[in-house]
Amino acid sequence: DVKVTQSSRYLVKRTGEKVFLECVQDMDHENMFWYRQDPGLGLRLIYFSYDVKMKEKGDIPEGYSVSREKKERFSLILESASTNQTSMYLCASSKGTATSTDTQYFGPGTRLTVL
Amino acid sequence: DAKTTQPPSMDCAEGRAANLPCNHSTISGNEYVYWYRQIHSQGPQYIIHGLKNNETNEMASLIITEDRKSSTLILPHATLRDTAVYYCIVRATGNQFYFGTGTSLTVIP
Repeated sequence: DVKVTQSSRYLVKRTGEKVFLECVQDMDHENMFWYRQDPGLGLRLIYFSYDVKMKEKGDIPEGYSVSREKKERFSLILESASTNQTSMYLCASSKGTATSTDTQYFGPGTRLTVL
Repeated sequence: DAKTTQPPSMDCAEGRAANLPCNHSTISGNEYVYWYRQIHSQGPQYIIHGLKNNETNEMASLIITEDRKSSTLILPHATLRDTAVYYCIVRATGNQFYFGTGTSLTVIP
């Protein structure tokens, strides 16, 4: 089974703090993704990565950055947390081949509250 | 990617089959139908996907109409643990997953 883990289930931070969310996958997947999920807005893609040290902006990258130094690990960074970044953050990974099996597998999520 | 339409909520009696419909009338020939579900406060869980043939796995069956404009996810014997939001997503390989608002399924004892 694919296992995607996230460093925290719940996190509370203060406005202006630097926040790191970590994601690790154990299936040697090429692709990794960060989404945020908000009521009524569904899942929105923040950033994704197709390879180590590669990153691409998703639909809502403002206020976020990412780091992928190792294949299995993808970090989401909030340089200066703001209250509008209170959300559920979801990490996903996929095999990365151009076939029908390019299914994304999700981690359990991190519920971040910024006070 | 094609847009999907799902009913906002459904109920199903425990032990009965749950049939969740999805309309995707603008689907293109290279787009797959994926189903995920999300149990409260957890990450989405992959269920099944298909292109045009019906598919079955240990979790569910996917029935796609011949014209591919709609599909049905079938949970053959619903349990209380199947209570979740179910998302139908249509996408071409390599494109993003766009999760809509899905169908909130409640399994009733």
